[in-house]
Amino acid sequence: SQTIHQWPATLVQPVGSPLSLECTVEGTSNPNLYWYRQAAGRGLQLLFYSVGIGQISSEVPQNLSASRPQDRQFILSSKKLLLSDSGFYLCAWSNTGTSRYEQYFGPGTRLTVT
Amino acid sequence: KQEVTQIPAALSVPEGENLVLNCSFTDSAIYNLQWFRQDPGKGLTSLLLIQSSQREQTSGRLNASLDKSSGRSTLYIAASQPGDSATYLCAVQGGSEKLVFGKGTKLTVNP
Repeated sequence: SQTIHQWPATLVQPVGSPLSLECTVEGTSNPNLYWYRQAAGRGLQLLFYSVGIGQISSEVPQNLSASRPQDRQFILSSKKLLLSDSGFYLCAWSNTGTSRYEQYFGPGTRLTVT
Repeated sequence: KQEVTQIPAALSVPEGENLVLNCSFTDSAIYNLQWFRQDPGKGLTSLLLIQSSQREQTSGRLNASLDKSSGRSTLYIAASQPGDSATYLCAVQGGSEKLVFGKGTKLTVNP
């Protein structure tokens, strides 16, 4: 069966510090991968998605970036965090080849920027 | 631009009651609609996915319906239990990889 991991589970970082959140998926090959952010009082917002190694699409202009160095690894990064980057970050995956499949979510990372 | 609205924002019911959660979307050109459950501080658990060609899906005590032409979906929960307490999210997928989410309905089932 497929599983999705995210770490760290929680993170407290000062403004201006760098960020690296990691997501890995097990039990499937060539998945579509997604990063979402859930901010307080707002719905989930898609940040990035990837349909293959090195292929990243950005949905929202921001100071965040994403990379996919391996087939089942998705990394969310920032060089300098802003207060507005605080939120709950969720990684998700779906079967490749079509956009019509279910998305499955990881446990999330709670980021607080102070 | 697709917008998803969920009403009510919060709902409190006694145990055993049947209930309906509502989701509406502005653009009927969707591939599918997905209902999720989110417990506090946790990730999302997929409950049901309805393809655009389907009218409903059932899983245990859950039944989700889709009326694409009117831009509406409902999640019906039968015989609610305290363990059903969570936030329920509706999301639609259109012509891209993007899921557009509503803000959710926070359900509390009181013993």
